[in-house]
Amino acid sequence: SAVISQKPSRDICQRGTSLTIQCQVDSQVTMMFWYRQQPGQSLTLIATANQGSEATYESGFVIDKFPISRPNLTFSTLTVSNMSPEDSSIYLCSVEGAGNTEAFFGQGTRLTVV
Amino acid sequence: ELKVEQNPLFLSMQEGKNYTIYCNYSTTSDRLYWYRQDPGKSLESLFVLLSNGAVKQEGRLMASLDTKARLSTLHITAAVHDLSATYFCAVDPDSWGKLQFGAGTQVVVTP
Repeated sequence: SAVISQKPSRDICQRGTSLTIQCQVDSQVTMMFWYRQQPGQSLTLIATANQGSEATYESGFVIDKFPISRPNLTFSTLTVSNMSPEDSSIYLCSVEGAGNTEAFFGQGTRLTVV
Repeated sequence: ELKVEQNPLFLSMQEGKNYTIYCNYSTTSDRLYWYRQDPGKSLESLFVLLSNGAVKQEGRLMASLDTKARLSTLHITAAVHDLSATYFCAVDPDSWGKLQFGAGTQVVVTP
């Protein structure tokens, strides 16, 4: 299994500001994934983060709004930039465990933009 | 475009009765996940189904996968209040952890 530590667990931010979310894994993983869950909705993939290369963004998500860093095989950050109330969501990071048999999720970051 | 359809989206259960949640997906995938989410919490992994015909059971929950029909089911036996939560299925068509989720089924169990 993989243990994922995600910080912060929650935050309330002013519109126009940015928030960086951290995701730390207890083992080395090739890919890390960032998801958004808007209130009452399902999870939507934002991007895939590979170490040593640019993140790959899904349709509807852009690097200027959601810059991602992946400095090593155990850590990644997602920044939500120039926030508006529409960005209020739960953001989750995910990794695939050893043996490629399961996807693990962090505890999530509950973001409220006021 | 991969689509994952879950139904029903809302399920009101009576304690003691049996129910089934369905998850259909539109492209080939040998890997399907079921998760549970309590309000305000992250996802709790329930089952990982890795091959056609896979069946897994844990307590009152049983999940199965038919890759030919592109269908997975989550069966709940003798529902109890503690099972109230939202249940998501997710497909991993490329088998490297990139998931496409269904819309979720909100389950409420009442006496």
